[in-house]
Amino acid sequence: EVQLVQSGAEVKLPGESLKISCKGSRFTFRNYWIGWVRQMPGKGLECMGIIYPGDSETRYSPSFQGHVTISVDESINTAYLQWTSLKASDTAIYYCARGGDFWSGYFEFWGQGSLVTVSS
Amino acid sequence: QSALTQPASVSGSPGQSITISCTGTSSDIGSFDYVSWYQHHPGKAPRLLIYDVTHRPSEISNRFSGSKSGNTASLTISGLQAEDEAAYYCSSFTTAVGDVVFGGGTKLTVL
Repeated sequence: EVQLVQSGAEVKLPGESLKISCKGSRFTFRNYWIGWVRQMPGKGLECMGIIYPGDSETRYSPSFQGHVTISVDESINTAYLQWTSLKASDTAIYYCARGGDFWSGYFEFWGQGSLVTVSS
Repeated sequence: QSALTQPASVSGSPGQSITISCTGTSSDIGSFDYVSWYQHHPGKAPRLLIYDVTHRPSEISNRFSGSKSGNTASLTISGLQAEDEAAYYCSSFTTAVGDVVFGGGTKLTVL
């Protein structure tokens, strides 16, 4: 069974940096788009961007371009989401998710979510 | 890009059917047969219910079905059960950068 296992909950101060991870297993990691989805407290799902591990092509949603960095280390089947300077408004649950066999914008498998809390 | 438009809430009694609408634009739903739907229970990961407008993953009950007309997609849940109470999100492939846009979500209450 396909698995996406995310790193644990984080509590950070405003201005700190952070990198969270998403490790895939039981599928050929390099062949599937991986996306990051944000859910702010009490709000809906938002796609932040996607990355293709095979060539590291990355596409950011306009609201997130320049605010986060999505990357991948194909050698260890892991995708990352990174901030250089966190804000309180980055407090959210972040999910990674894997696309389907043919990329048409849907996410077939999801990680368990990583809770990020940014507070002074 | 703007989120797709969903009703904030719907409700139904056990055994009934409900339909959740999802309205987009000619840049997303209207241009592609690439609409997906997710069920999201609090504290759990979202679960894919429907992809490419009408297709169901093998493990998803046939009580869930999807359709599309023009710029609007719909999710129908028949034979409502208590465990269907959750938030439901539509999503579409989009011509905008980033590829994917979600709806604002619909909270389903099973009375």
